[in-house]
Amino acid sequence: QSALTQPASVSGSPGQSITISCTGTSSDVGSYNFVSWYQQHPGKAPKLMIYEGSKRPSGVSNRFSGSQSGNTASLTISGLQAEDEADYYCCSYAGSGTWVFGGGTKLTVL
Amino acid sequence: EVQLVQSGAEVKKPGASVKISCKVSGYTFTDYYMHWVQQAPGKGPEWMGLVDPEDGETMNAEKFQGRVTITADTSTDTAYMELSSLRSEDTAIYYCAKGGFDTGFDHWGQGTLVTLSS
Repeated sequence: QSALTQPASVSGSPGQSITISCTGTSSDVGSYNFVSWYQQHPGKAPKLMIYEGSKRPSGVSNRFSGSQSGNTASLTISGLQAEDEADYYCCSYAGSGTWVFGGGTKLTVL
Repeated sequence: EVQLVQSGAEVKKPGASVKISCKVSGYTFTDYYMHWVQQAPGKGPEWMGLVDPEDGETMNAEKFQGRVTITADTSTDTAYMELSSLRSEDTAIYYCAKGGFDTGFDHWGQGTLVTLSS
């Protein structure tokens, strides 16, 4: 099972919007609506930000949104804030009871 | 409040095994899968496998097949992950994470650092 493909890094200025892509295959992202996104600050455990492609857990800011089209899922963060600077990972169900993560994207807030 | 509390850091020799525990509270243990995730230094998370505490059924990632054993003890609401034949690339933080198809991995343990040292 190959890792999902994410850009290594993205950056944006405070107040701007950024989008992080997550490309899989027809065996994972393209077959299931079970993509989730995680934010990870240094030294901390990952935190769920989006699940089932576009749903936000309670307590997650509505500045975070998710979408999915074909084999690619996307995470958009609007109104960038300094505290959004972190690593972001996508994850997809890959069938047969298995899951696969993306390689991660480092977000820098300029 | 949902909590997943993992056992402490371990130092192991190559070829040895390590067993990490994850004790949960604040929800019904048997209602959700428990996943285990490996994160090597400076790398992204890698899904290792899961256990369904309801019936003990497990699934493992191909990469760890034959080396990982994931179990659940419903009498103590604790999940375990044992990794055998340890090698240098197994130096990593290991996380347990609660979740299912319709929840994502919504709660995580604090992580357990396993260091390989000869």
